[in-house]
Amino acid sequence: AQTVTQSQPEMSVQEAETVTLSCTYDTSESDYYLFWYKQPPSRQMILVIRQEAYKQQNATENRFSVNFQKAAKSFSLKISDSQLGDAAMYFCAYRSMNRDDKIIFGKGTRLHILP
Amino acid sequence: ETGVTQSPTHLIKTRGQQVTLRCSSQSGHNTVSWYQQALGQGPQFIFQYYREEENGRGNFPPRFSGLQFPNYSSELNVNALELDDSALYLCASSLEWGRDTEAFFGQGTRLTVV
Repeated sequence: AQTVTQSQPEMSVQEAETVTLSCTYDTSESDYYLFWYKQPPSRQMILVIRQEAYKQQNATENRFSVNFQKAAKSFSLKISDSQLGDAAMYFCAYRSMNRDDKIIFGKGTRLHILP
Repeated sequence: ETGVTQSPTHLIKTRGQQVTLRCSSQSGHNTVSWYQQALGQGPQFIFQYYREEENGRGNFPPRFSGLQFPNYSSELNVNALELDDSALYLCASSLEWGRDTEAFFGQGTRLTVV
C-alpha cells in the first residue's frame, strides 16, 4: 500500500522569504502522480502543483516549485517570495494510475507567514 | 470556486442517528470521490463513484454508503453514527480518472456527532 509522510507539522516563514515543505512517499508503482494541495481556513482543497512520475523535469507554477527525487521517493515544495495569502495547511498527496485510484494524503504541514 | 458544491455546510447529529450529505459535481464531471478528514489529519478516501457505479472503496465500514445519480450528483450516507465520525467530509469531482484529469474539491460538510 502507498503511504505519504509529512514530517513537519508546522512551519513559519517571514513574508517575502523562501520556504521548503518536505514530503516522502512509499510505493512499488512506477507510474503515478504527486500533488501539493493547499487548504485555507475556507476548507476547500486547492491544487497547487502536480508532478507526473514519468517526467524528470520538476514542475513549476509561478512562485511554487517542486524537487522531485524519484529514487529517493521525495517530493518537496518550495514557495518563493512568500505572501500572507500562502498561510494554510499544505498536503502532499499521491495518486496511482489505476482505474479506481484514490488520492492518498499526508497529514499536512501548517504554514504560518510572519509579516 | 470550483463548481463543486456540498450541502449542508455544517450539521450536528446524535450518536446512533443517520445522516445524508450531498455533493453536486462540476458540470460535465462523471466521477465523484468522498473523503473523511478528521481534525488535524489529511483526508482519507471513503469511496468513488463513476457513472453511478461504485468504483473503489477505502477502509470504511458498510454503514458508510453512497449513491450517484444520473446527473452525477452524489450522496454519502452514514448509519448508526459514532462519535469518531465527527469530521469534515469532502467530495471531489473529475472527468473520469486517468492522465491529465484533475479532481476539484468542494468546501466540505462539517459533521459533529454528540
